[in-house]
Amino acid sequence: RKEVEQDPGPFNVPEGATVAFNCTYSNSASQSFFWYRQDCRKEPKLLMSVYSSGNEDGRFTAQLNRASQYISLLIRDSKLSDSATYLCVVNGVNRDDKIIFGKGTRLHILP
Amino acid sequence: GAGVSQTPSNKVTEKGKYVELRCDPISGHTALYWYRQSLGQGPEFLIYFQGTGAADDSGLPNDRFFAVRPEGSVSTLKIQRTERGDSAVYLCASSSGPGDPFNSPLHFGNGTRLTVT
Repeated sequence: RKEVEQDPGPFNVPEGATVAFNCTYSNSASQSFFWYRQDCRKEPKLLMSVYSSGNEDGRFTAQLNRASQYISLLIRDSKLSDSATYLCVVNGVNRDDKIIFGKGTRLHILP
Repeated sequence: GAGVSQTPSNKVTEKGKYVELRCDPISGHTALYWYRQSLGQGPEFLIYFQGTGAADDSGLPNDRFFAVRPEGSVSTLKIQRTERGDSAVYLCASSSGPGDPFNSPLHFGNGTRLTVT
């Protein structure tokens, strides 16, 4: 099993719809999780951290399910500007461990 | 303040040549990462520095790849005898350190696009 797995998509979603995607991770002892956004030919940028209790930032909600070892990202009322690749990121078990990125899920918001 | 700076932004080289890619992290950031990204793929971990030392170099694909960070700031990724398969975008990222990971996310540079012909 790969360390971090994501459905590559693409997800083609009409503007205004709600879309959600998951990311699974293999190391049950992983401590912290993030979602990054990457626009075409640009560098990744932090979208949000994923806390154990779940967290919400405007139209974006991130959740962690430790029992099933996955994190999720939900986007409500999607905008054209949400079109991007969403990267799942898992921090290591120990403080000095490397940070692992998933391959990303491509999202296309359709007008 | 200034972000992570990577130079050059583009590098075209011939197969077999040696290249150096430079990363200047955010001032004061102790952690520095190198990733490699191919088209349609996520960033692939190469090496991670904490200060001057490589905390984890398990992602370097073979001994043609080497990275240094002699003074705990600027880092150089060196690739010997380049091959066409090395063509990718090489991303550098820095963070304030391993402390609380939620408060020390990665900040990426714009990357160096390496093309080996």
